[in-house]
Amino acid sequence: DGGITQSPKYLFRKEGQNVTLSCEQNLNHDAMYWYRQDPGQGLRLIYYSQIVNDFQKGDIAEGYSVSREKKESFPLTVTSAQKNPTAFYLCASSIHGGSVNEQFFGPGTRLTVL
Amino acid sequence: DQQVKQNSPSLSVQEGRISILNCDYTNSMFDYFLWYKKYPAEGPTFLISISSIKDKNEDGRFTVFLNKSAKHLSLHIVPSQPGDSAVYFCAASPLSGSARQLTFGSGTQLTVLP
Repeated sequence: DGGITQSPKYLFRKEGQNVTLSCEQNLNHDAMYWYRQDPGQGLRLIYYSQIVNDFQKGDIAEGYSVSREKKESFPLTVTSAQKNPTAFYLCASSIHGGSVNEQFFGPGTRLTVL
Repeated sequence: DQQVKQNSPSLSVQEGRISILNCDYTNSMFDYFLWYKKYPAEGPTFLISISSIKDKNEDGRFTVFLNKSAKHLSLHIVPSQPGDSAVYFCAASPLSGSARQLTFGSGTQLTVLP
């Protein structure tokens, strides 16, 4: 089955620790995205990548880092510099980053920083 | 400044009746609009989209209407079913640019009462 997987579903970390969220897709999509959702708010774009070895900052990139070494993988690291890291994180992909097509989302990872 | 606004955080509708979810946008560069449906603790799933060259797009029980002059779109669900109860996000994409980034509204929680 083709799709996007995110692991783990729930993640707990102590304040001050870096944590990496996994995102894998087997849809052969070129573009991948990371969003953050907070209660009562829409999805806000953290980072996106149109092709391998290239990525761009979104609207709220501060305190986050990404890599895109493989087409199917786009891990997100939440660093200790992120002031309010507790949130629901969503990864998405689309066929191409520069054309009109819908984004497909993974199931999300809920990160809680204690 | 919210470029995509969903001013109704919640909506309750009786089963079998019509559900109308509204979305307003401010950016004239948006030319492609999407609706996503989201259940708790899951990623959003794509529902329906519309390009700015159209004013209506229909897919089964779902119809999206676009009024460009008013910068307003709406999603109609007819007839509404209890399984439609979810959060609905509208999203918009710009006319140009190297990446088709989506800007999301804050969502409307639809509850369909049996």
